[in-house]
Amino acid sequence: QSALTQPASVSGSPGQSITISCTGTSSDVGGYNFVSWYQQHPGKAPKLMIYEVSKRPSGVSNRFSGSKSGNTASLTISGLQAEDEADYYCSSYTSSSTVVFGGGTKLTVL
Amino acid sequence: EVQLVESGGGLVKPGGSLRLSCAASGFTFSSFSMNWVRQAPGKGLEWVSSIGGSSSTYIYYADSLKGRFTISRDNAKNSLYLQMNSLRADDTAVYYCARENGGGRPADYWGQGTLVTVSS
Repeated sequence: QSALTQPASVSGSPGQSITISCTGTSSDVGGYNFVSWYQQHPGKAPKLMIYEVSKRPSGVSNRFSGSKSGNTASLTISGLQAEDEADYYCSSYTSSSTVVFGGGTKLTVL
Repeated sequence: EVQLVESGGGLVKPGGSLRLSCAASGFTFSSFSMNWVRQAPGKGLEWVSSIGGSSSTYIYYADSLKGRFTISRDNAKNSLYLQMNSLRADDTAVYYCARENGGGRPADYWGQGTLVTVSS
């Protein structure tokens, strides 16, 4: 199972919006509405931000939103804040009942 | 409060074995599937394995492990395990246990991780 494809880095200024893409195949992202997004600050464990493409766990800011079109999922962060600077990973359920992660995207808040 | 605490990491020689443990508290352990996810130094996340709430429900592994790793759990002890055999240098990573909650295996709680270093 190949890793999902994410941009290595994205950046934005405080208050702006950014979008991180996550491209897979019809055997993972495109085949199921089971895409999740995780935020990871340096030296910390990942935190679930989005599950089932667009659902937010309790406590996650509504500035974070998810969507999917075909084999590509997206995470949008609106109203960028300094504390959003982190690595972001997408993941998807697969046709083999396993999980595949993306390579990760480093978000820099300018 | 949900807590997951991994232990058992350390330095091991290539070809050696190691058993990781994850102690869970703050939730009904047997009601949740559990996962192991690893992260090599400076690299991204890699899913390792998943086990159903009742071990007989299901067990899945990443293809890349090729039968070297075995996941198990003891619901009476609220513990998750990962037996790792024939360890290689590229198994060096922080290993996280994570609670699975929902369809498609989203992991809503993670431990702090335990570092496994494979080196001679």
